[in-house]
Amino acid sequence: GDSVTQMEGPVTLSEEAFLTINCTYTATGYPSLFWYVQYPGEGLQLLLKATKADDKGSNKGFEATYRKETTSFHLEKGSVQVSDSAVYFCALFLRVFGNEKLTFGTGTRLTIIP
Amino acid sequence: GAVVSQHPSRVICKSGTSVKIECRSLDFQATTMFWYRQFPKKSLMLMATSNEGSKATYEQGVEKDKFLINHASLTLSTLTVTSAHPEDSSFYICSARGGRTGASRTSTDTQYFGPGTRLTVL
Repeated sequence: GDSVTQMEGPVTLSEEAFLTINCTYTATGYPSLFWYVQYPGEGLQLLLKATKADDKGSNKGFEATYRKETTSFHLEKGSVQVSDSAVYFCALFLRVFGNEKLTFGTGTRLTIIP
Repeated sequence: GAVVSQHPSRVICKSGTSVKIECRSLDFQATTMFWYRQFPKKSLMLMATSNEGSKATYEQGVEKDKFLINHASLTLSTLTVTSAHPEDSSFYICSARGGRTGASRTSTDTQYFGPGTRLTVL
């Protein structure tokens, strides 16, 4: 079945450090790929997405490129801030014969220290 | 744009009672809504998918008689946890997918999530 594998956390970085959170997927079709972020006590917010191979999603300094050859969608940010502390979820979306499903990875907790 | 609200944000109830959670898309029409359950420090587990005006489709292992879902309009879906027990305590999150453009443009493959409802069953 379809699945998403995320880098296990927690991840702790100093402010202004470079961030990479790895995400790979297995899918039977051609999924759209997403990164969602969950701040403490809140629901999920869409961070960025890519709908086809080689697309790059970007938002708030975060980027991720849809790599079909490596089935990956790694999240990167050049200089993290304390406010980036949250849980990040990688997800894939597929719609097959009218059935649709968003499959999430287990989430990676990121803590940024000043 | 693309705002989804949930009510209540927190609810505490006694074992054996029923609890209703509402999910609303505020500025777009949601032909499809989804209900997830999130366990502490775990990922989201899809419980069911509901399309406006039709019966919900439940994921394997989810009791449809226990978790009643109604999607009565293009902006409202409800989840009722019937005869709740302590093991039903969890964080319930809904999402909505826009199938039609309303006041805000939404992508048909992007789900917009509500802030979640924390259910505690005593």
